[in-house]
Amino acid sequence: EAGVTQFPSHSVIEKGQTVTLRCDPISGHDNLYWYRRVMGKEIKFLLHFVKESKQDESGMPNNRFLAERTGGTYSTLKVQPAELEDSGVYFCASSQDLRAGPRRANVLTFGAGSRLTVL
Amino acid sequence: AQSVAQPEDQVNVAEGNPLTVKCTYSVSGNPYLFWYVQYPNRGLQFLLKYITGDNLVKGSYGFEAEFNKSQTSFHLKKPSALVSDSALYFCAVRDGIGGYNKLIFGAGTRLAVHP
Repeated sequence: EAGVTQFPSHSVIEKGQTVTLRCDPISGHDNLYWYRRVMGKEIKFLLHFVKESKQDESGMPNNRFLAERTGGTYSTLKVQPAELEDSGVYFCASSQDLRAGPRRANVLTFGAGSRLTVL
Repeated sequence: AQSVAQPEDQVNVAEGNPLTVKCTYSVSGNPYLFWYVQYPNRGLQFLLKYITGDNLVKGSYGFEAEFNKSQTSFHLKKPSALVSDSALYFCAVRDGIGGYNKLIFGAGTRLAVHP
């Protein structure tokens, strides 16, 4: 099966500009997660979709970040306007529904990440 | 609050020697613990997990991890390191609120295996 795909792999923008990151999860995975790793620190949770609904967005830093998952398929994460501290690697992950059983549902499959550099 | 600590920024090992990458955790309730690895320019890859059962968990690429409840540790181990094991390793614990798979990660440990 195809993995989790993220685009772009690297984006360089200036402070104040807008960037949109895209994630295509594994087909059939209802759960989609966004994470971010900033400057070699821990990978931090941003938010979680179950299908098209936001299950948990407690990790979103502020209202400059907007995530959507229209139709419950791919997701976008928009940063507007971007600030210097937004630089980092944004990871997307997906997992199966818990009805698939704990053996399969508990593993997140990650994409390669989108590296964002804000100058 | 759930948390994970990886006390070593980097671990250096000679090829063929055993390796250990340390991880300690703090959770309320029973922990679900994971190790992921990130190779250069690649995404995070799942290595192994502990949910319940045997304290010694075997995973991909010959790695294993030992769950120690009294020490709240979940160290990653391999009996004989390969140069190709050089990568960034992340320990994680599931924040099981709502039964979903929100993971809390450590800061990562860079493993360097020298020929």
